[in-house]
Amino acid sequence: NAGVTQTPKFQVLKTGQSMTLQCAQDMNHEYMSWYRQDPGMGLRLIHYSVGAGITDQGEVPNGYNVSRSTTEDFPLRLLSAAPSQTSVYFCASSYSKNSADTQYFGPGTRLTVL
Amino acid sequence: AQTVTQSQPEMSVQEAETVTLSCTYDTSESDYYLFWYKQPPSRQMILVIRQEAYKQQNATENRFSVNFQKAAKSFSLKISDSQLGDAAMYFCAYRNYQGAQKLVFGQGTRLTINP
Repeated sequence: NAGVTQTPKFQVLKTGQSMTLQCAQDMNHEYMSWYRQDPGMGLRLIHYSVGAGITDQGEVPNGYNVSRSTTEDFPLRLLSAAPSQTSVYFCASSYSKNSADTQYFGPGTRLTVL
Repeated sequence: AQTVTQSQPEMSVQEAETVTLSCTYDTSESDYYLFWYKQPPSRQMILVIRQEAYKQQNATENRFSVNFQKAAKSFSLKISDSQLGDAAMYFCAYRNYQGAQKLVFGQGTRLTINP
């Protein structure tokens, strides 16, 4: 089991560029989510998915799109990057949306937007 | 909306001693979960301990224990016999009992262990 994997580990973008942060898990987890972590702040929820084909917005969804075509993958898309999106991004998954299940986090992607 | 507050941006402790990290939260729910996560320099988020609000007994995991005061909405983490490997950012987090697994995090406390 690789657990939750994220690629790339680091990325530098120019304002206005687009990119996709990849997240995959091999644990057959139903629930997946994306968080961002800014300096001096805890993680904030961007989007989440309770299963393939189902996504919903979290606390800070603006500027980000997601889709969930398979159970394993949950990519996060930035259509037009802005400096305010400079952050560390974490993907997490759990077996189900049941609140008793433990969430497992990926290693994070550090994104810088110039 | 639920909020989580960690009022100690930084803490330090001598190796082998005990340290307590504070966390308060605000919610109108009666059933929920509380967590402490550790984030070492590797950035990996590691679950340290969790507490179910309906349980009166405080959770413990080896050298880590919590003091859960539901009425006061307080959830502190005690680390006993501190080790150099405990140095990290520690985040307190909240999750509703019902609904999707949305975690609400505090701002974090950076813990330094002095040898």
